[in-house]
This record gives sequence, C-alpha cells and structure tokens, in this order.
Amino acid sequence: SQTIHQWPATLVQPVGSPLSLECTVEGTSNPNLYWYRQAAGRGLQLLFYSVGIGQISSEVPQNLSASRPQDRQFILSSKKLLLSDSGFYLCASRGPSYNSPLHFGNGTRLTVT
Amino acid sequence: TQLLEQSPQFLSIQEGENLTVYCNSSSVFSSLQWYRQEPGEGPVLLVTVVTGGEVKKLKRLTFQFGDARKDSSLHITAAQPGDTGLYLCAGAPFLFTGKLIFGQGTTLQVKP
Repeated sequence: SQTIHQWPATLVQPVGSPLSLECTVEGTSNPNLYWYRQAAGRGLQLLFYSVGIGQISSEVPQNLSASRPQDRQFILSSKKLLLSDSGFYLCASRGPSYNSPLHFGNGTRLTVT
Repeated sequence: TQLLEQSPQFLSIQEGENLTVYCNSSSVFSSLQWYRQEPGEGPVLLVTVVTGGEVKKLKRLTFQFGDARKDSSLHITAAQPGDTGLYLCAGAPFLFTGKLIFGQGTTLQVKP
C-alpha cells in the first residue's frame, strides 16, 4: 500500500519568509499527486495537482507554487509568505482510476506570524 | 461548477445514539468516497461506492449511494466515542480529470 511522507509536521514562519514543504510517496509509481489546504474542521481546498513529472495544474490563484522534480516527490513553495497562507497543508497520492482512493500524509500545520 | 453539499456541518450526540450524514449534489458522479479524519492527521478512506443504489456496511457504519448517483448517506448505529472525527465525502465526476470534489465535512462528537 501507499505511504505518504510529509514534513515538517508543524512550522511557524514570519510574514515575508520563504516556504518549502516536501512530500514523498512510497509503494506506487506514476501516481497523481495533490496539495490541499484545510481550514480548521472544514473540507479540503485543492491547491495543485500533478499527473506526471513537471506537470502541475494550479487550481486557485495564490501566493504558492508547486513542483514535481521526481515521480514520487511533490514540493509546495512560496517566495514570500502571507498571513493568509496559514493553515493545514495535506499532500495526497492516488492511482489513475476514477474510483482510486486518495492516500494522505499527516499534514503540515503552518502558522505565519 | 460541481458541488457536494454535506449536512449537517456539526453533530454532537450521546454514546449509543444513531445518526445520518448526507452528501448531496445536483450533478452525477461516477463514484463517491467517504473519508474520516482525526485532528492533526490526514483523512483516511472508509469506503468507495460505485453503483447507483449501492449499500455498503462497515461494522456499525452503513453507506448508501443514491439511485441517480447524485447523493450519498452515511448512517452510524449506536455511535461510540471512537467515532468522533471529521467525515468527508468526495465525488469523482464522470468527465474525470483526476480531481475529486469534496464536501465541506461533518464534525461529529460522540460524548460518553
């Protein structure tokens, strides 16, 4: 089965500082990869998804970017963080089938101060 | 834009009570999934329903996919404190591009 490694678990960063969150996947090849953001107790907002190396789709205009340098590595970045970037960030992986489940990492709690 | 409306948003009940969570849309989905999430962790898949009218049971949890594949429900019998968490439904559109449509979630608290 798939295992999603996501780090760090918590992060406190000042406004204007850069960000790099990394996600790696084990147990599968050529997965679809996703970055979600979640407000407390609420649903998931899709930020980026990727169907292959170097292929990134952005869902919402924002202060963030994503990259997929390797098949099982997905990186979320920002050059200058805003207060509104605070939240719970989740990386997920799934197979190509329409009924493939999403496998999530344990998330990164980002607080921008 | 396809939406999934999940209700209720919050539910606080006593141990032993029954409850139902609903996930509704005006759009048709090829499949629908239910996830459960505990604080500080990622969501975990509970079930996938694929066929209209399908009913799946997972111990005390019963999941149903509507005949028209536009809605789904999650029923918990004799809820226990261990059922506490955030429940999320997610649908795969027929013209699937890899993006699941998520409901806004139902926060369930079961008091002992």
